[in-house]
Amino acid sequence: AQSVTQLDSHVSVSEGTPVLLRCNYSSSYSPSLFWYVQHPNKGLQLLLKYTSAATLVKGINGFEAEFKKSETSFHLTKPSAHMSDAAEYFCVVSDGGAGKSTFGDGTTLTVKP
Amino acid sequence: EAGVAQSPRYKIIEKRQSVAFWCNPISGHATLYWYQQILGQGPKLLIQFQNNGVVDDSQLPKDRFSAERLKGVDSTLKIQPAKLEDSAVYLCASSGGNNEQFFGPGTRLTVL
Repeated sequence: AQSVTQLDSHVSVSEGTPVLLRCNYSSSYSPSLFWYVQHPNKGLQLLLKYTSAATLVKGINGFEAEFKKSETSFHLTKPSAHMSDAAEYFCVVSDGGAGKSTFGDGTTLTVKP
Repeated sequence: EAGVAQSPRYKIIEKRQSVAFWCNPISGHATLYWYQQILGQGPKLLIQFQNNGVVDDSQLPKDRFSAERLKGVDSTLKIQPAKLEDSAVYLCASSGGNNEQFFGPGTRLTVL
């Protein structure tokens, strides 16, 4: 069985300040982990993925995430928030076999001017 | 490369009516997923196909939901009869084998 917990349902930051969106996972396998972003009325877009290579993963739009097996975490960070980053973010765990994916409940990121 | 296509984009029906959604995955992608995303929640997997076979349908309410992918390419998801709680966005995604999923724009269903 696998599960994902996104620790914050809402995060609010000021433009230009760092972003931290927290994700913890549980998996019986060596998991693949993903972060997706969903802008209002738009489809889900992949930000970045971890698939057992480097533990620090860089994605699009300046986002990165670090896989920490000992903490079962995969937190998403960005050094400086931009207004266009305001969206819903989903952490996803996928097992290595059948590819079954489990989504977290999402974190809404608000960026204040 | 063309993305995942879904239709219709929006659908409004009354409870107890039937509805069908269509998905065309990215060419060559063997794996196809249908998700249900209720407002304020993350997507929940309904069914996963590998080519034309079902890999996982453990969360599909089989008394009213059905899905098929007869030729291993496009897929349809049907609800019959619909209930108020089926109001959601239905997302289709496809994958080429590395667990990375590409999502379509979704179909927003409203059941009145």
